[in-house]
Amino acid sequence: DAGVTQSPTHLIKTRGQQVTLRCSPKSGHDTVSWYQQALGQGPQFIFQYYEEEERQRGNFPDRFSGHQFPNYSSELNVNALLLGDSALYLCASSSDQTGGLDHTQYFGPGTRLTVL
Amino acid sequence: EDQVTQSPEALRLQEGESSSLNCSYTVSGLRGLFWYRQDPGKGPEFLFTLYSAGEEKEKERLKATLTKKESFLHITAPKPEDSATYLCAVQARTGANSKLTFGKGITLSVRP
Repeated sequence: DAGVTQSPTHLIKTRGQQVTLRCSPKSGHDTVSWYQQALGQGPQFIFQYYEEEERQRGNFPDRFSGHQFPNYSSELNVNALLLGDSALYLCASSSDQTGGLDHTQYFGPGTRLTVL
Repeated sequence: EDQVTQSPEALRLQEGESSSLNCSYTVSGLRGLFWYRQDPGKGPEFLFTLYSAGEEKEKERLKATLTKKESFLHITAPKPEDSATYLCAVQARTGANSKLTFGKGITLSVRP
């Protein structure tokens, strides 16, 4: 059973460019959450997608946007990249179909984004 | 606003020297408290979920406990392979499947 997968593994961009990161959830999961983790910090919540809609959003600017596809996979887009966007971007999947009991989020390996 | 504070920031232990990692939290109605392990450059690996005060869970050398204000991750007779960053996160009861709020993590180093 494949876990959460993310692509690409590493990415180098320059300031002002745009980037798209991709995530495939764990089998049986329908909810995808995105987090940004700066070096030496804990992950910070960006947003969450369920049923192809953004359900919850953290304190990130509109330059960060996303999408969820009918097969539950998801994309994170960042426009007008800044140096401060350099971080490890994590995707986590979970299931809303557990009767409200277990919403454990399982993380992928992450995408390391470097902005020069 | 939900908050999580982990202490100490870093911990160095000798192999076999047991210790505890602390996670203090404030949340508007706790749905769950989560512990993850993270190796350098990799994604967090799920360890435990705790739902209510008094609950305890164990896995190999690790035991997690929960009170109304904090959680402890006890490590018994650690080995060098237990070296990693341990993250604590809370999930509020507001809405379905809500976001996780993380602490900064505790970097554990176990010397042989």
